[in-house]
Amino acid sequence: DTAVSQTPKYLVTQMGNDKSIKCEQNLGHDTMYWYKQDSKKFLKIMFSYNNKELIINETVPNRFSPKSPDKAHLNLHINSLELGDSAVYFCASSRNIDQPQHFGDGTRLSIL
Amino acid sequence: GNSVTQMEGPVTLSEEAFLTINCTYTATGYPSLFWYVQYPGEGLQLLLKATKADDKGSNKGFEATYRKETTSFHLEKGSVQVSDSAVYFCALNSGGYQKVTFGIGTKLQVIP
Repeated sequence: DTAVSQTPKYLVTQMGNDKSIKCEQNLGHDTMYWYKQDSKKFLKIMFSYNNKELIINETVPNRFSPKSPDKAHLNLHINSLELGDSAVYFCASSRNIDQPQHFGDGTRLSIL
Repeated sequence: GNSVTQMEGPVTLSEEAFLTINCTYTATGYPSLFWYVQYPGEGLQLLLKATKADDKGSNKGFEATYRKETTSFHLEKGSVQVSDSAVYFCALNSGGYQKVTFGIGTKLQVIP
């Protein structure tokens, strides 16, 4: 009965590859997010969707493309992975944009 | 724009010591304020929140009071335990389609 689940938990891949991270929430929330957390724990928002519509798109390389097939899912696809993409990526959801967020356990991405 | 400033860690305390983690903010309007906690290997969890001036949020022995006159939301706990060792994030949300602004996170280590 995990509220926000993301897969995979660990992702190790080579530079130049394309990979996807999936996120699902069973809370009935309208808003979902992707964050990137670096090795110093600094948390940076990447994208936010509200009812499948993109509402926040921070300065993120266009190699990163979010997709929301329905409001319970927000997947992240990354093309041409680079060394600097190594980080922990968190998915989160909230009832709406100004409510507290529920986070998944993160996907640790390591680029070789 | 909005910003959150919190003390850099790490903070190391002995068990049963008093904890204060400072947080100050700048924002337009009347933001909601949050403290999130991140335990090792996990995502962030909401610890407490306050939505208007002079509100006090509390949970698990932690407290924080929304002080508009000093634009602060300091986190306190009277007696910390080893299990409180984590990274603590102060955050604000000024509503509408604004993104949540997180502080840099303060790592707390409690030693027996």
